[in-house]
Amino acid sequence: EAGVAQSPRYKIIEKRQSVAFWCNPISGHATLYWYQQILGQGPKLLIQFQNNGVVDDSQLPKDRFSAERLKGVDSTLKIQPAKLEDSAVYLCASSPRTGYNSPLHFGNGTRLTVT
Amino acid sequence: DAKTTQPTSMDCAEGRAANLPCNHSTISGNEYVYWYRQIHSQGPQYIIHGLKNNETNEMASLIITEDRKSSTLILPHATLRDTAVYYCIVSGPGGGADGLTFGKGTHLIIQP
Repeated sequence: EAGVAQSPRYKIIEKRQSVAFWCNPISGHATLYWYQQILGQGPKLLIQFQNNGVVDDSQLPKDRFSAERLKGVDSTLKIQPAKLEDSAVYLCASSPRTGYNSPLHFGNGTRLTVT
Repeated sequence: DAKTTQPTSMDCAEGRAANLPCNHSTISGNEYVYWYRQIHSQGPQYIIHGLKNNETNEMASLIITEDRKSSTLILPHATLRDTAVYYCIVSGPGGGADGLTFGKGTHLIIQP
């Protein structure tokens, strides 16, 4: 079973620029999550999709962050404009279904550096 | 979701069992205990989860106390590749959507 794929692996941009991250979940997984992990901290949930609908985006900074999951498969997370404090690893995860008895499977993330 | 408390770091000798404790004294009856680990420069990896009963899989065993207020993750024969940050997470309906809330975890160092 192929895992969660993310690209790019690394990205360096200047503040006020825009950036996009891509995620391809495990085939058949209906639920998709984006997390932000700042150095030295645990991952923090940004947004959760069920198929192509948003379940929870309460922690997504909507003034600069946006995410979509067209056709209920791949997803993109965008930051526009980026700030220095957005430097972090952005992790995508997927799960076969919603519910609390369904483990998440994570990709290896995109490491973003904002200079 | 209920909050968890884990030691910041632990050491274990290679080949010995690694026992990682987690306190979750405010856990509700319908909340699951999850364990993930994160090796440097990788995403979190699912290890095991349980509700009330002890669980075992090819990676580890999860022991949940009868009152469910604490649990222990057991890696039976630790290897150097088990060096990682281990996260204990409680997840259930009380926390809203089912995305996981990570703390800072336990940094487990396996010593040769």
